[in-house]
Amino acid sequence: SAVISQKPSRDICQRGTSLTIQCQVDSQVTMMFWYRQQPGQSLTLIATANQGSEATYESGFVIDKFPISRPNLTFSTLTVSNMSPEDSSIYLCSVVVAETQYFGPGTRLLVL
Amino acid sequence: AQRVTQPEKLLSVFKGAPVELKCNYSYSGSPELFWYVQYSRQRLQLLLRHISRESIKGFTADLNKGETSFHLKKPFAQEEDSAMYYCALSGRATNKLIFGTGTLLAVQP
Repeated sequence: SAVISQKPSRDICQRGTSLTIQCQVDSQVTMMFWYRQQPGQSLTLIATANQGSEATYESGFVIDKFPISRPNLTFSTLTVSNMSPEDSSIYLCSVVVAETQYFGPGTRLLVL
Repeated sequence: AQRVTQPEKLLSVFKGAPVELKCNYSYSGSPELFWYVQYSRQRLQLLLRHISRESIKGFTADLNKGETSFHLKKPFAQEEDSAMYYCALSGRATNKLIFGTGTLLAVQP
């Protein structure tokens, strides 16, 4: 299994600002993902965080808005840039260990 | 289009009653199907996957390729089963999950 922590657990931000979310895993993992869950909606994959190279973004998500870093196999950050109220969501990181995907506790973001 | 549909937002049953959470999918190819569960104040966790063909906490799910369905079933619901249940799929070996909108299961005493 994998133990995943995220910081912060929640935040309230002003529009136009940026927030960086951290994801820490207790073991080295190859595959790490970032998801978003908007209010009342399902989880949507934002990107795959690749160690040592640029993240791979899904349709509808771009690097300028959601820059991702993956400096090593246990850590990643997701930045939500130039926030608007539409960015209010729960952001989750996940990792794959032994063909099972484990999720972090999520970061609940409210943009005013 | 790749899509997972869970038609019920809320399913309320009494303890001991059978439960069926519906899931239909649309995918070009042979996907892997999963059920994830999120109990109150806990993180999302894998409940079961179709390739394992196992029963977890009394729940089973059979992949019906003809009907493109992967319904989750349990013969006798327990109060501790109350949670949010998400059906999800991924392409083989991609690990990128596509989720349904979830069904909130409420088991009444």
